[in-house]
Amino acid sequence: ETGVTQTPRHLVMGMTNKKSLKCEQHLGHNAMYWYKQSAKKPLELMFVYSLEERVENNSVPSRFSPECPNSSHLFLHLHTLQPEDSALYLCASSQSGINTGELFFGEGSRLTVL
Amino acid sequence: RKEVEQDPGPFNVPEGATVAFNCTYSNSASQSFFWYRQDCRKEPKLLMSVYSSGNEDGRFTAQLNRASQYISLLIRDSKLSDSATYLCVVKSNSGYALNFGKGTSLLVTP
Repeated sequence: ETGVTQTPRHLVMGMTNKKSLKCEQHLGHNAMYWYKQSAKKPLELMFVYSLEERVENNSVPSRFSPECPNSSHLFLHLHTLQPEDSALYLCASSQSGINTGELFFGEGSRLTVL
Repeated sequence: RKEVEQDPGPFNVPEGATVAFNCTYSNSASQSFFWYRQDCRKEPKLLMSVYSSGNEDGRFTAQLNRASQYISLLIRDSKLSDSATYLCVVKSNSGYALNFGKGTSLLVTP
């Protein structure tokens, strides 16, 4: 069983909807990440939070809005998305300050925008 | 130029074969290197780190060539369960970002 859980696993939304993706990690890590995985493309880092503070924001459109209320939870709020935003959104966690390069990923939320 | 480049494959090999994947990276300041494995419709998981002197973990051997900026993964005695996508991952010495390649698809057949 993964130490990082994501909900929902599948989401279909229209372009005018507002929805949120949720991620919870049970590993005691202090850094959390959102990655986007599209077909035929490498994983793209979207946001990084360390100790609940956003430390990286990779030129992501404002229609994606992250929120990290505590070190165990991470949200991705979605509004007025485009069909090209359809992808697998992966949450991950790690212990910052340790350069092991090991990210622990959740199983992902597969998003379809109609 | 893409930061991390891999041959997407697919590599189709019979059980017991030896297969090697290469990966090149563009940022000479990169400090840490990894191979991740992603099974179909699953999340990526760390397979192994890659050290300057090369390292081995059972049937898997990873090599790093800093001068040529490439990383390799060798799998000996392939098993059916090795079928997956192998992601080359590079990290610079600053920031949190891990840069992923698109992955190389391996299919091991009976």
